[in-house]
Amino acid sequence: EVQLVESGGGLVQPGGSLRLSCAVSGFTFSSHWMSWVRQAPGKGLERVATIKGDGSEECYLDSVKGRLTISRDNAKNSLYLQMNSLRAEDTALYYCARHGTWALDFWGQGSLVTVSS
Amino acid sequence: DIVMTQSPLSLPVTPGEPASISCRSSQSLLRSDGNNYLAWYLQKPGQSPQLLIYWGSNRASGVPDRFSGSGSGTDFTLKISRVEAGDFGVYYCMQGQQDPWTFGQGTKVEIK
Repeated sequence: EVQLVESGGGLVQPGGSLRLSCAVSGFTFSSHWMSWVRQAPGKGLERVATIKGDGSEECYLDSVKGRLTISRDNAKNSLYLQMNSLRAEDTALYYCARHGTWALDFWGQGSLVTVSS
Repeated sequence: DIVMTQSPLSLPVTPGEPASISCRSSQSLLRSDGNNYLAWYLQKPGQSPQLLIYWGSNRASGVPDRFSGSGSGTDFTLKISRVEAGDFGVYYCMQGQQDPWTFGQGTKVEIK
């Protein structure tokens, strides 16, 4: 059974940092691109970062470039999102998601990040 | 960025009746490989999104055949032949033709 479990969310002040983790199981992690997708409260979906299976390629939403960094540890079956210089507009539920044929075919339950003073 | 526009944004449906959602993209989602990079998701209340359709018309594993996707280029439709209780929630279309991938605003399908 494919499982993705996010952790690391919480309340952080503007300008602060947070590191999200996503532990996966039930599939060959290194064979899949992975993404982080966020959903602000009551809003729609926004893909913020993506990484190739071997970690050799990354891409980011323009508004997070230079502040958020996606990474992975295939030996630990884990995906990460390092979040620096956080802003109020980064407040959202952050999902990790697996790429299937191309679309995001499995999603975790999300980790809530709240940026507020 | 490719803009995805869904309609309607709210769709009251009586269980057992059909439902249809439209998704239009500002640019063609058809690639040279012959596939439309368009996916449909359902997000039930309090849950994460679940993949229903990819490549515009391919049902994801385990998705009932009452769900069907159609369309090509810039115009796409998701149809539910007979809406069941577990089908209520917010439906999103998403394009993977060009970075950044973008989602539609969502269509809330609710009980009439």
